[in-house]
Amino acid sequence: GNSVTQMEGPVTLSEEAFLTINCTYTATGYPSLFWYVQYPGEGLQLLLKATKADDKGSNKGFEATYRKETTSFHLEKGSVQVSDSAVYFCALKVYGNNRLAFGKGNQVVVIP
Amino acid sequence: DVKVTQSSRYLVKRTGEKVFLECVQDMDHENMFWYRQDPGLGLRLIYFSYDVKMKEKGDIPEGYSVSREKKERFSLILESASTNQTSMYLCASRKTSTGELFFGEGSRLTVL
Repeated sequence: GNSVTQMEGPVTLSEEAFLTINCTYTATGYPSLFWYVQYPGEGLQLLLKATKADDKGSNKGFEATYRKETTSFHLEKGSVQVSDSAVYFCALKVYGNNRLAFGKGNQVVVIP
Repeated sequence: DVKVTQSSRYLVKRTGEKVFLECVQDMDHENMFWYRQDPGLGLRLIYFSYDVKMKEKGDIPEGYSVSREKKERFSLILESASTNQTSMYLCASRKTSTGELFFGEGSRLTVL
């Protein structure tokens, strides 16, 4: 089946630190990959996406590269701000399947 | 600005009550979804609808039903609320061409 695995546990880091959140996937077929972000008290919103191997999605200083050989889509940001504190979800969708598969999410807390 | 609107941000209900959660989207999307979000479990799909009057069970449909009488509106119904249905409920609609989900702000339901 289709599934997404995110690293366990919250992530706490200082402002201007480098952020990496790992995401690996299992899919039947060729998935599109997404990162969604949920700011406190809000619903999820799309942060970035990639639709084929070696594509790089980017937005708001965040980047993720679709790596087919390692079935990964790790999220990175070079210098985080307090305003990046949120929950981040990795997700995939396979063509012809109506559902998105979500990871469990990672809480990111950025300390001034 | 595209929008998914959930009727109630916070609800408190008693065990055994019938609960309606309403969701409206203004993007003319065919696909709509109901998820619940719980700490440590991420997002779990309850039901989705791929067109008016069409619905399909998600991963955790027990204790829930849905209604889609009009394209823009997708309702989640708890026929007899129970304490284990205390959760955050998220509605989403999907842009078919890109696969992107648009989420509402969520409805936090407490069942006493």
